[in-house]
Amino acid sequence: GAGVSQTPSNKVTEKGKYVELRCDPISGHTALYWYRQSLGQGPEFLIYFQGTGAADDSGLPNDRFFAVRPEGSVSTLKIQRTERGDSAVYLCASSLASGGGQETQYFGPGTRLLVL
Amino acid sequence: GIQVEQSPPDLILQEGANSTLRCNFSDSVNNLQWFHQNPWGQLINLFYIPSGTKQNGRLSATTVATERYSLLYISSSQTTDSGVYFCAVEGVRDDKIIFGKGTRLHILP
Repeated sequence: GAGVSQTPSNKVTEKGKYVELRCDPISGHTALYWYRQSLGQGPEFLIYFQGTGAADDSGLPNDRFFAVRPEGSVSTLKIQRTERGDSAVYLCASSLASGGGQETQYFGPGTRLLVL
Repeated sequence: GIQVEQSPPDLILQEGANSTLRCNFSDSVNNLQWFHQNPWGQLINLFYIPSGTKQNGRLSATTVATERYSLLYISSSQTTDSGVYFCAVEGVRDDKIIFGKGTRLHILP
């Protein structure tokens, strides 16, 4: 596809369960970002990948959150032992590179996570 | 970390009006982007503008990096311009992209 895709579009789970959120970036984009957006707020940075490696994971709120990008393309955000406070829209973005003026980010539609 | 402040927080205008949205940031930046989030939640990149001025149709943006602010101009507003406008910056001291809280724009027909 032409844009960033995210699956599922909506996820409802129960407190304590494990969830995985998937992001397919634009083909050829080496940089991939995960954000979390709560109602009425701007996106909050979680983690940034350059290729397969996490270049900056300082935004992950605690060790229940983990993300991988094993082949430098698709990424999965994993949340263990979900809590009600994890409910938010999880956004993924990709860019061609992370420097040299190629940082324009393209966002996916997001995954709306609701923890009951 | 770097702080990003956007003003005004809310703006209501009649169709056809012009508007200026402001983004102030607290440290030097490697890049700055303006986004529009439509009522369905989709974020669309408007400008990548770490410095200088760019124009795209009815929209233009100016970043004065030395004074740590950026302005987004919307001329001849249309109802489809409604939504939230975000400024996002990457500070020179780390790789994070930090978003402001946004300006919520509502254009009345």
